[in-house]
Amino acid sequence: GAVVSQHPSRVICKSGTSVKIECRSLDFQATTMFWYRQFPKQSLMLMATSNEGSKATYEQGVEKDKFLINHASLTLSTLTVTSAHPEDSSFYICSARAGSEAGYTFGSGTRLTVV
Amino acid sequence: GQNIDQPTEMTATEGAIVQINCTYQTSGFNGLFWYQQHAGEAPTFLSYNVLDGLEEKGRFSSFLSRSKGYSYLLLKELQMKDSASYLCVGRDDKIIFGKGTRLHILP
Repeated sequence: GAVVSQHPSRVICKSGTSVKIECRSLDFQATTMFWYRQFPKQSLMLMATSNEGSKATYEQGVEKDKFLINHASLTLSTLTVTSAHPEDSSFYICSARAGSEAGYTFGSGTRLTVV
Repeated sequence: GQNIDQPTEMTATEGAIVQINCTYQTSGFNGLFWYQQHAGEAPTFLSYNVLDGLEEKGRFSSFLSRSKGYSYLLLKELQMKDSASYLCVGRDDKIIFGKGTRLHILP
């Protein structure tokens, strides 16, 4: 089945630094990838939709200059959290849909802790 | 507006059956999903309904009524490993997540 590989699974960074999270579709081409954030005991919240070769579409309230998304190829999308602060500590997950399949395949998630 | 409602928590006994209900309001409709999410892990796909009726997959079944904006996930022969959050997810032009139902299984 479709697999989305997400790295790193866990990262701890100092406040003010930047962190890059990668998502790769391993056996399919993903023209669109979705980035979510999940705070403890809360639902997944869509942050942005990443489209290959064009600018990402951000949801209301998500700072595009803080959460940089690059989707340079059909198999790779990256999310960079710039100038991270403790309030950015969260679980970040990407997902993609493989062609006409019904389900959205999720990456394994990245737990970001900003200290 | 767009809204997905499901109970926050449920408790059931190992070996029993539990039904998790979901009501949705979306501007359009392109299907409804159920996902299972264990704490600290990514959601995993359970089911997808786009037509009315019941879809059965082993111990898990999902039902949809589009006219009522209603779905349920039925879990049979509950096992301890079924303790997780179950997300009802609607899709129109984007996917909309419910807050999830935390299911506790008692031995």
